[in-house]
Amino acid sequence: DQQVKQNSPSLSVQEGRISILNCDYTNSMFDYFLWYKKYPAEGPTFLISISSIKDKNEDGRFTVFLNKSAKHLSLHIVPSQPGDSAVYFCAARPGNTGKLIFGQGTTLQVKP
Amino acid sequence: SQTIHQWPATLVQPVGSPLSLECTVEGTSNPNLYWYRQAAGRGLQLLFYSVGIGQISSEVPQNLSASRPQDRQFILSSKKLLLSDSGFYLCAWSLGQGQPQHFGDGTRLSIL
Repeated sequence: DQQVKQNSPSLSVQEGRISILNCDYTNSMFDYFLWYKKYPAEGPTFLISISSIKDKNEDGRFTVFLNKSAKHLSLHIVPSQPGDSAVYFCAARPGNTGKLIFGQGTTLQVKP
Repeated sequence: SQTIHQWPATLVQPVGSPLSLECTVEGTSNPNLYWYRQAAGRGLQLLFYSVGIGQISSEVPQNLSASRPQDRQFILSSKKLLLSDSGFYLCAWSLGQGQPQHFGDGTRLSIL
């Protein structure tokens, strides 16, 4: 049972445009959501997070939106840069635990 | 600042051989520690987590075990490796349940 789903395995965007990465979840007990970025042969790097009490969090070019009623979150990258090309994982935390449930990842390619 | 070290970076082992992967964290005390596995084309699956020395929680039944002999040391082991144990193993730490997890660079394990 995949509680966190990233239904798009890949996304290709032109440099300078917006990248939108999507993530859906099924467990209403998730209270904290995170996005990670991963380059080949490296561990994931934390990008940005959002608490379930918020619907938006922004950090520079990265913005995460949370729609609790739809159980959906998205990561917007504006403007996209070639260095953003990587695999992006969303993750969710069941309330009052230290565990994270990860999606399958979406490979983003930003073309110059 | 905190750093996390995993070794080795790559490992090739025959079926039936033992395994020991080590992870250490520097620059913090009493971190939460985690072991994840990423199978090919899939997301990160939590294997074990630890909130303190000698305290290990197992998330999935499997051929692996974990130990935390020191505050900032986390070891993943197996007595006899199976072909299905192949994958990318990642160690992570966090300051607490409500904090992001930070990953090491992983170990690529191939079982022959």
